[in-house]
Amino acid sequence: GDSVTQMEGPVTLSEEAFLTINCTYTATGYPSLFWYVQYPGEGLQLLLKATKADDKGSNKGFEATYRKETTSFHLEKGSVQVSDSAVYFCALILSNFGNEKLTFGTGTRLTIIP
Amino acid sequence: ETGVTQSPTHLIKTRGQQVTLRCSSQSGHNTVSWYQQALGQGPQFIFQYYREEENGRGNFPPRFSGLQFPNYSSELNVNALELDDSALYLCASSLAGRGGYEQYFGPGTRLTVT
Repeated sequence: GDSVTQMEGPVTLSEEAFLTINCTYTATGYPSLFWYVQYPGEGLQLLLKATKADDKGSNKGFEATYRKETTSFHLEKGSVQVSDSAVYFCALILSNFGNEKLTFGTGTRLTIIP
Repeated sequence: ETGVTQSPTHLIKTRGQQVTLRCSSQSGHNTVSWYQQALGQGPQFIFQYYREEENGRGNFPPRFSGLQFPNYSSELNVNALELDDSALYLCASSLAGRGGYEQYFGPGTRLTVT
């Protein structure tokens, strides 16, 4: 079945460090890919997305590129801030109208130290 | 634009009881999906509703059921509660058929079964 594998956490970085959170996927078709972020005590917020190979999603300084050849969608940010501390989820949807379910990874907890 | 809202915020129930959780979709959205997020895990797809009919279901037993109303709001019902049903229940709304498949999440309902 379809699945998403994320880098194990937790990840702890100093402020202004470079961030990479790895994500790879397995899917029977051509999925759309997403990163969601969950702040403590809250629901999930859509961070960025990419709908086809070689697309780059970006938002709030975060970027991720849809790599079909490596089935990956790694999340990167050049300089993290304390406010980026949260749990990050990689997810996919297969382009199948009528059953658009998100399949999530297990999440990566990120803590940024001042 | 009104976001996705859920009620109640927290709920404590006893094993064997029944519970109803509610969700109001984001304005303009016609599809509602429900997810279960156990502690420390990624959300798991329960089911999706489109035009008041179930439109896809994950690996959850029939005691998990739902409704969607003409105004696109939704309910999740769980009968015969078990301890393992303790989780954060997330509702997400989207616009079916829209390229990109973004789903927007509510803050969740934290259910504790004792």
